[in-house]
Amino acid sequence: RKEVEQDPGPFNVPEGATVAFNCTYSNSASQSFFWYRQDCRKEPKLLMSVYSSGNEDGRFTAQLNRASQYISLLIRDSKLSDSATYLCVVIHSGGYNKLIFGAGTRLAVHP
Amino acid sequence: DAGVIQSPRHEVTEMGQEVTLRCKPISGHDYLFWYRQTMMRGLELLIYFNNNVPIDDSGMPEDRFSAKMPNASFSTLKIQPSEPRDSAVYFCASSPGGSETQYFGPGTRLLVL
Repeated sequence: RKEVEQDPGPFNVPEGATVAFNCTYSNSASQSFFWYRQDCRKEPKLLMSVYSSGNEDGRFTAQLNRASQYISLLIRDSKLSDSATYLCVVIHSGGYNKLIFGAGTRLAVHP
Repeated sequence: DAGVIQSPRHEVTEMGQEVTLRCKPISGHDYLFWYRQTMMRGLELLIYFNNNVPIDDSGMPEDRFSAKMPNASFSTLKIQPSEPRDSAVYFCASSPGGSETQYFGPGTRLLVL
């Protein structure tokens, strides 16, 4: 079993739609959580950190459920420019900045 | 400010040849990471350095792979001899001390024939 599991998608949604991605992690000692975004043939870039209380950044909302070892990302009012692969990332306690990546969920937003 | 710089951006080589990938981290960053990305296995951490010292190389697939960081502004990942299964995108990333955010370079696309 992979340490970080994501639905690979693709999610095909129209502009303006709300879409949610889920992620589960297996190591209960995981302490830090992130969503990275990777455009086609580009490098991954940090989208947002995920905090225990949940956090929002514009149209993006991230949630963490430590009891269920579950992370989510909600995108509201999807734009064409949101089309990318979204990578769920965790760091274990004592992991010294060692990022563990999920395989990613691909999102395609169409007109 | 310049981001992480990697060279070459593309490399095509024949099986058995030596391949050297290069990385210049963001100035002032204490941590440097080498990743490999394939369709089958996703993004995998190969090795990382802190203050030029290798900290964790448990992700290095086998002895054919080696990495060095002779100074704070330069690192290499070498594959010798290369094999077709090494074909992948290799990313270098750097991070400042005290931060968990990593900044990735544009990657090197390696194709071993």
